[in-house]
Formats: sequence, C-alpha cells, structure tokens
Amino acid sequence: GAGVSQSPSNKVTEKGKDVELRCDPISGHTALYWYRQSLGQGLEFLIYFQGNSAPDKSGLPSDRFSAERTGGSVSTLTIQRTQQEDSAVYLCASSLATAWPLSYEQYFGPGTRLTVT
Amino acid sequence: KNQVEQSPQSLIILEGKNCTLQCNYTVSPFSNLRWYKQDTGRGPVSLTIMTFSENTKSNGRYTATLDADTKQSSLHITASQLSDSASYICVVTPNRDDKIIFGKGTRLHILP
Repeated sequence: GAGVSQSPSNKVTEKGKDVELRCDPISGHTALYWYRQSLGQGLEFLIYFQGNSAPDKSGLPSDRFSAERTGGSVSTLTIQRTQQEDSAVYLCASSLATAWPLSYEQYFGPGTRLTVT
Repeated sequence: KNQVEQSPQSLIILEGKNCTLQCNYTVSPFSNLRWYKQDTGRGPVSLTIMTFSENTKSNGRYTATLDADTKQSSLHITASQLSDSASYICVVTPNRDDKIIFGKGTRLHILP
C-alpha cells in the first residue's frame, strides 16, 4: 500500500516569505508527527496530532510555525516569514496510535528539503 | 537531561566486512529503543525495536543489542553490502509523558 507522502520534495524560498508543506499519512493512521532535521543534527520533534485530540505543539520553535490536520488525514505545516535558520529537511511520520509504550511503528515520509535564501 | 549519543559520527568500511555502531543514552526509565536506517534523501525506516527487558533483536544482517545496566545499545551489521551505506539513527522513547529522543546518527559508507 501507499506510504507517507510529502510535497513538495524540495522548496527554495526567499527570506521573509511564507511556505506550506504538505503531508499525506498512511490511510487509517490516527497519529501524525512533524520533525525537522537540520544538517548534521538529529531529528527535532515539532508537533504531533492524535485523532481529534488537541495537538501537542510543544516542539514548535517559534510562533512563526503552525500546523493543522484537516479531517484527521492530510496535514500542512506552515512557516511564516521564513528565516535562513529554517533551512532543513522537514519530515512527517504517521502511526496507528501513540499509546504508551509507543509500540506502534512510525512510518516516515521522504521529507521536504526547505532552503531559505 | 535525557540524551542519546551515537558513535562514531561516520564510518567507512569495505564491502563484506562487519561493523558495530554504538548508542549511549541517559534516558531512564524508557519504554523502547529503536534503530532506524535513513538512506540519503529518504525518511528513516525502522530496523529493530527493543523494550527495556530485551537484550537482542535481529533483522537479517542487522543485530541490535541492549544493556540496560550500562545504558548502551549497539547495532552490528554483518557482511556489509553497498546498500548498507546510510545513516543509522538510535531513538529512545522515555516514559509516556516525554517525547522520543533521536540520536544524531552514524553515517556509514560501504566501499566496493
């Protein structure tokens, strides 16, 4: 079956512009995660959605970052007034649930490489 | 502070050779530890998952070990292949209220 898909695969934008990144999770997966991977760094948790519960936004680095998930499926990550330090690969993952002890596998998309010039 | 440290940062070996990657963590208690493989330009893919009570888990030529006393895990790759060239990421899940923690990964290069 289809895995997690993300679009665009690459995005180059000018400093100060807004960008929207899209994630299509695996059908039936109730949990969706956004991560950021900067060059030479580990994955950084940004936000996750679980079903109809309020999202956990504790990882968002600033109020320029926001995300929404419509209809419990597709998610968009929006970065407003982009800065050069926002340049990174943004990865989306989905899983069946987030129930402790988190035995459900997270399946990652290929990521969106964002370059802010 | 919960941390996951991986070593070496990068490793180059010849095709057919074995290698071992290390992961040291300070997360305690934790529910599970995973090893992921991330090919260039792709998202991470899970190789193994171990709970705190497990000592070893194999997936083909990949074998992960866990020593909860020393808080160390290793990933052993046997008879390496060119397709093993990738980053290998150690990930630890703390208790239910804490976020999972990713190591920075080990970049493995397999030479023909």
